[in-house]
Amino acid sequence: DTGVSQDPRHKITKRGQNVTFRCDPISEHNRLYWYRQTLGQGPEFLTYFQNEAQLEKSRLLSDRFSAERPKGSFSTLEIQRTEQGDSAMYLCASTISGANVLTFGAGSRLTVL
Amino acid sequence: QKEVEQDPGPLSVPEGAIVSLNCTYSNSAFQYFMWYRQYSRKGPELLMYTYSSGNKEDGRFTAQVDKSSKYISLFIRDSQPSDSATYLCAMSAGSGNTPLVFGKGTRLSVIA
Repeated sequence: DTGVSQDPRHKITKRGQNVTFRCDPISEHNRLYWYRQTLGQGPEFLTYFQNEAQLEKSRLLSDRFSAERPKGSFSTLEIQRTEQGDSAMYLCASTISGANVLTFGAGSRLTVL
Repeated sequence: QKEVEQDPGPLSVPEGAIVSLNCTYSNSAFQYFMWYRQYSRKGPELLMYTYSSGNKEDGRFTAQVDKSSKYISLFIRDSQPSDSATYLCAMSAGSGNTPLVFGKGTRLSVIA
C-alpha cells in the first residue's frame, strides 16, 4: 500500500490553457474525493466517486471543471481555460464506502500565470 | 455564517507547552469529528477521529467533542517543534455519504 498518489505535484501554466491532474487511490478504496485548498483556507469539497459513478458534482466550481474515474481506479480532474483564480492545491482523497475518514494524497499545486 | 469556524492563528508556543485548538460549528447534524495535521506543501493526515460527544486520547493528543455547545477541541500536551503544522478540524453528518467539511486550519509553531 503506497497511499494516495497524485501527479503532477506542481503544475505551472498560462491563463487559458487546460490542465489535468491524476489521482491513484489506495487500491482497496472504492470512494475517491477531490478537494481544492487555497492559501490560508481549509480544503473545499469539489466532487466524489464511488467506483466509476460520480455521486456528487454540484460543487464543482464551474463548467470548466470536470472529473472522471472511468474504470473505478484512478481519477482525473481537468480544468479547461484556466484562470488565475484557479491557482490552488488540488487534493485527492480516498476511503471505503461507509467510512468517514479520508486518506489524502500530497496534492497537486496549480499556479496559473 | 460558515458551517465550521476555526481561528486561523498563527499560534506560537514554547516547547513543552499545552496547546488548545478549537472549532465551532453550526450544523447540528454533524456526528463525526476529525482533526487533521497538515505540514507545509503536504496533504492533510488524520490525527484524531471521534464519533458524537466525548473525549478521546491518543498519546499526547486529546480530542473533545461537546455537541450541546457545537464545539470541538484538540489538546496537545508536551508540545514539540515537530508538532509545528496547520491543524484542520473536519466534520461530517453521514456515514460516508456526506463530504467532510473543514475549518480554515490553525497554524501552530512550537518554538524550541
